[in-house]
Amino acid sequence: TQLLEQSPQFLSIQEGENLTVYCNSSSVFSSLQWYRQEPGEGPVLLVTVVTGGEVKKLKRLTFQFGDARKDSSLHITAAQPGDTGLYLCAGETDRGSTLGRLYFGRGTQLTVWP
Amino acid sequence: NAGVMQNPRHLVRRRGQEARLRCSPMKGHSHVYWYRQLPEEGLKFMVYLQKENIIDESGMPKERFSAEFPKEGPSILRIQQVVRGDSAAYFCASSPQGGSYDTEAFFGQGTRLTVV
Repeated sequence: TQLLEQSPQFLSIQEGENLTVYCNSSSVFSSLQWYRQEPGEGPVLLVTVVTGGEVKKLKRLTFQFGDARKDSSLHITAAQPGDTGLYLCAGETDRGSTLGRLYFGRGTQLTVWP
Repeated sequence: NAGVMQNPRHLVRRRGQEARLRCSPMKGHSHVYWYRQLPEEGLKFMVYLQKENIIDESGMPKERFSAEFPKEGPSILRIQQVVRGDSAAYFCASSPQGGSYDTEAFFGQGTRLTVV
């Protein structure tokens, strides 16, 4: 059973289009992170959100954490071919004294065509 | 400042052999996490270690898998008597001590294990 469900699984768009990737759960998370992974490489952290309703912007990327801290979205404006990659959301359910285990979604494979 | 170093990058083992995967955390990081990524699946947590201690091994299979993070040297993930189903990418991540919410885990490039 997957704790975090990502949608869509695959997304293929033209350069310049906008897109949104969703990450949903029935569980509450103390923090949620978005990663990007290139083929043959490890995930690279893009952002961490911790407060319900929080919105963070990273250039053309906008991340939102749901008010109830059960879901998140990643919106990319004017996508570019360099945005191509696997986008992963990951959540932490119980922040103790240190960073604990992360639950990952299956990922959204984004392809942006020139 | 070198990142998380994993070796080997690729490992081929015959069924029944042992696989040893190594992870050197970033300098100053005392926490190590191991994750496994199967084709078309997300990363699955395996184990969380601090120096000489296993903090959370709830994701580790009960048999054949073990992990350690000694006082000196890298963290080791050991898989005994490998089977084809163990073929996967194994990622190590490290984080510094501290529980603030901006603490992040940095991932290595992974070890791709193929069991033939």
